Parts: sequence; C-alpha cells; structure tokens
Amino acid sequence: GQQVMQIPQYQHVQEGEDFTTYCNSSTTLSNIQWYKQRPGGHPVFLIQLVKSGEVKKQKRLTFQFGEAKKNSSLHITATQTTDVGTYFCAGRLTGGGNKLTFGTGTQLKVEL
Amino acid sequence: NAGVTQTPKFQVLKTGQSMTLQCAQDMNHEYMSWYRQDPGMGLRLIHYSVGAGITDQGEVPNGYNVSRSTTEDFPLRLLSAAPSQTSVYFCASSYASGTGFWNTEAFFGQGTRLTVV
Repeated sequence: GQQVMQIPQYQHVQEGEDFTTYCNSSTTLSNIQWYKQRPGGHPVFLIQLVKSGEVKKQKRLTFQFGEAKKNSSLHITATQTTDVGTYFCAGRLTGGGNKLTFGTGTQLKVEL
Repeated sequence: NAGVTQTPKFQVLKTGQSMTLQCAQDMNHEYMSWYRQDPGMGLRLIHYSVGAGITDQGEVPNGYNVSRSTTEDFPLRLLSAAPSQTSVYFCASSYASGTGFWNTEAFFGQGTRLTVV
C-alpha cells in the first residue's frame, strides 16, 4: 500500500487564508522534498530538508521536518491565487535504495 | 536548455496495443525514472535507472519495460495496453550527490497523458 500519505487530499481556501498540508510516512525518511504541480503541469521542486526538526522558509511558505523524520508539513501564509496546484512531498524511505517515494498529494484551490 | 523532453504529449491506445513513451534529457543526469500519476494516489514509481545499462523496478512495474542504452534516453514500453494503464506518465531525471540520487532535485518532463480504450 501507499507508504507516504498526505492530508488533506483537497483543500479550498479563500484568498488570504492560511493553508497547511501534512505528509506522513510509515517508516523513517532520509530526507523530505516538496514539489508543486500547477494544473495541467508537471511537478517542480520547491525545497529539501534533511535534518531532524529542520525548518525552512521561502517567503510565505514554511516547511518542517519532524523530529522522528517520519512526517513533514508545508504551511502557506495568506494564500494567493498563484498558490493553486497540487503539493507533493517525497522522500527516501529507510532501506529504500535510490528510490524517491512520493506522497499522495494535496490539491489546493484558492478562491477570490 | 530543453531539460527533460517527453513525447508524445497525448496518446489513445486500444486494449492490447503496444507503444513506447519517449524520454530524453540533455543535462547529463545519470538517474532517470518513470512515474505514473493517478487521482488520489500521487506519483508512483514504475522503473528507474542509475546509469546507462542499469535499470530496476519501482512500485508498479508490471506491464512496463524499460531500457537505458544511453545516458540521454530512457524509453518506457507498454507491452499490451490495458485500461488500468490509463494515466499521466512523467519522466524525471536527477544528478548524483555524494550519497546517491535520492537527495537531489528531480527534474520532470511535461508528461504524457495516455488513455487506453
């Protein structure tokens, strides 16, 4: 079954509201990457975290890697219509060789 | 710089037909991979390659073949298309860091939308 789950699957927000997606793995991860896919587009790399408890920020986006390295979150402050898309986490599962396992994704819609 | 190029962008197949999805990258990346994207299931790894002549299976390899004769190209072959293979297919490439290929940015192609009827 799916080893990296994301919640929620869908999220509708009003522009200006905050948004958070959570990524949970059944096993520990060596790293966590986040990708954004615009509607009709392809996934584009946003960031990578590798250390337990690490927090990184990119303007309105805040990324966290859990202390146990089994979960991560992406928080967007004051969403804009340009934030619309699907957000994926991805990481290497412990013992997973050279494979990157992607999460199930969270689709964000932003309404004016 | 073209990056990762996939062809075709759209394809309709009849059940039982075979076809090859093409993927080429011009970044001299050693690692290439194929994913399929289905609603609610994210991106699932089909096959991957860590260099020319080396391929391995991902999560969902059944019904697909790959080969890697050059660094640049990594075609995906559907042997006998089935409706369950209706999906969007993405090819990705990445370079090696000191510890492997899993901790560097993956560059994706534009995708191939495949429908099997």
